[in-house]
Amino acid sequence: AQSVTQLGSHVSVSEGALVLLRCNYSSSVPPYLFWYVQYPNQGLQLLLKYTSAATLVKGINGFEAEFKKSETSFHLTKPSAHMSDAAEYFCAVSVSGNQFYFGTGTSLTVIP
Amino acid sequence: DTGVSQDPRHKITKRGQNVTFRCDPISEHNRLYWYRQTLGQGPEFLTYFQNEAQLEKSRLLSDRFSAERPKGSFSTLEIQRTEQGDSAMYLCASSSALGTFTDTQYFGPGTRLTVL
Repeated sequence: AQSVTQLGSHVSVSEGALVLLRCNYSSSVPPYLFWYVQYPNQGLQLLLKYTSAATLVKGINGFEAEFKKSETSFHLTKPSAHMSDAAEYFCAVSVSGNQFYFGTGTSLTVIP
Repeated sequence: DTGVSQDPRHKITKRGQNVTFRCDPISEHNRLYWYRQTLGQGPEFLTYFQNEAQLEKSRLLSDRFSAERPKGSFSTLEIQRTEQGDSAMYLCASSSALGTFTDTQYFGPGTRLTVL
């Protein structure tokens, strides 16, 4: 069975500080991993995805994530937080491409 | 490309009533997914279609839930005999699959269901 665990349901950072959102996955076979962002009253939007190519994946809005098989992790980072980054972030895993398993989400607050 | 649309955006119903939600995917997308999202949780996969074929439905929550995609375009999700526990946001997503499972899902804004 596949699953993801997002550590920290709420994360607060100061504007300009590093953003680090944690995601650990469980999968018996090589997974595909995704990060989505959900702004208030909007649909989920794909930030980036890992598809077994480069382990460091760059996404939109300056975000990136690194796939670490030894740690079963796929943490999301951004060097410098902007106020506009405040949103809910979801990590997701898929192995079959037919079913996707989402984490419980991390709410990011950016403090001016 | 107008994005994925869902109708209605909000639905309030009484326990025991049937409800139906509609999803219109991005026009060239052949895959369509339904999810449920409750407060404080991530989306929970329910079912998906490739064209008009429902390829996975084992995750539908009970036999009160059913979905159709009759012509491979829009889809409907029906909940019969609603219960208060069905109150949630119901999300639809679509993607274009050409034999690969790394296709990006585009999500609609969701239908928020409240069962009184």
